[in-house]
Amino acid sequence: SQTIHQWPATLVQPVGSPLSLECTVEGTSNPNLYWYRQAAGRGLQLLFYSVGIGQISSEVPQNLSASRPQDRQFILSSKKLLLSDSGFYLCAWSTPDSQGGEKLFFGSGTQLSVL
Amino acid sequence: AQSVTQLDSQVPVFEEAPVELRCNYSSSVSVYLFWYVQYPNQGLQLLLKYLSGSTLVKGINGFEAEFNKSQTSFHLRKPSVHISDTAEYFCAVSDSSGGSYIPTFGRGTSLIVHP
Repeated sequence: SQTIHQWPATLVQPVGSPLSLECTVEGTSNPNLYWYRQAAGRGLQLLFYSVGIGQISSEVPQNLSASRPQDRQFILSSKKLLLSDSGFYLCAWSTPDSQGGEKLFFGSGTQLSVL
Repeated sequence: AQSVTQLDSQVPVFEEAPVELRCNYSSSVSVYLFWYVQYPNQGLQLLLKYLSGSTLVKGINGFEAEFNKSQTSFHLRKPSVHISDTAEYFCAVSDSSGGSYIPTFGRGTSLIVHP
């Protein structure tokens, strides 16, 4: 069966420090991968998605970047964190649904606090 | 472009009472619709989905939703809620208008079940 691992679960970082959040998927090949951010009362905002190794699409211009060095690894990074980067970050993967569209599966999230 | 509106940010209800969480969407093409649930400090998990066929969709934990094309709605219902249903609920819509089926999420509705 497929599983998705996301770490760390919580992270407290000072403003201006770098960031690296990692997500790995097991039990599937060539998944679509996603990074979402969830800010209080603002729902889920799609940050990046990837359809293959080295292929990254950015949905929102910001202080963050993403990389996919391996088929089942997706990394969210920042060189210098801002206060506004605080939030709950969710990694997800998807596979085509036989009835149409995509089936989306989420990791357990990382609560990032920038102080 | 697709969009989702969850009309209520918070819905308080007493245990064993019925509940309806409202969701309206906009899209210019055929859609796939989803409800996800998020328990505190966790990722999202799929409650139910509408892809095609019967407009009344049954999901896990006794939830159901009805797709109403004329009203562009996909409201979530449960006839009798439990304390354990307290969580954040997200409606999502997916269509092929952007060349992919990446879902767009609403801002979420916080369901609070009181004893």
